Amino acid sequence: DAKTTQPTSMDCAEGRAANLPCNHSTISGNEYVYWYRQIHSQGPQYIIHGLKNNETNEMASLIITEDRKSSTLILPHATLRDTAVYYCIADPDGSGNTGKLIFGQGTTLQVKP
Amino acid sequence: EAQVTQNPRYLITVTGKKLTVTCSQNMNHEYMSWYRQDPGLGLRQIYYSMNVEVTDKGDVPEGYKVSRKEKRNFPLILESPSPNQTSLYFCASSSPRRLAKNIQYFGAGTRLSVL
Repeated sequence: DAKTTQPTSMDCAEGRAANLPCNHSTISGNEYVYWYRQIHSQGPQYIIHGLKNNETNEMASLIITEDRKSSTLILPHATLRDTAVYYCIADPDGSGNTGKLIFGQGTTLQVKP
Repeated sequence: EAQVTQNPRYLITVTGKKLTVTCSQNMNHEYMSWYRQDPGLGLRQIYYSMNVEVTDKGDVPEGYKVSRKEKRNFPLILESPSPNQTSLYFCASSSPRRLAKNIQYFGAGTRLSVL
């Protein structure tokens, strides 16, 4: 699995866009990038994933650089309820054989009023 | 509603008293896993199951047992709990039939304290 690097913590003003970066410089061609978040000891929640193209869903947007060495999760209008630990995970498609996600330390996002 | 249900949510027990944490999913997922989460160590996989009657060890299986007799259920068994098993436990499920196989659904967690 590719190692990912994320900042330990970030702040964001309520209503503004939150941009969470992730470096995955050793990612291989078949590895997806997944983003999960965990709100205060609740179960981790899937947000979005991507392989090469930028992706958007009702929760967030994912921007992947052309060389795939980094990505950015964008929460377009952060609310206080978006305060959480955000995990970027680069995972080979084949690791579905174990169902294992390797969670790093993630980024603690604090949304402030 | 698609969900993974764990019970109990909170449990305090004593060393050596066998306990079972139940996990059930209603999405017909083949894959199920148990994780534990500890401060500074993150989430670590304990056991996983690829389908009924197919289970295997994850990264930290010592002191735990699992079974998968039905597709929807994946209980975690602590035969003789010890204080070092005090932790926050999560059950998760996913389907290998999806193109991106690691979209996992997690339960709400079970906070276990072993005295």
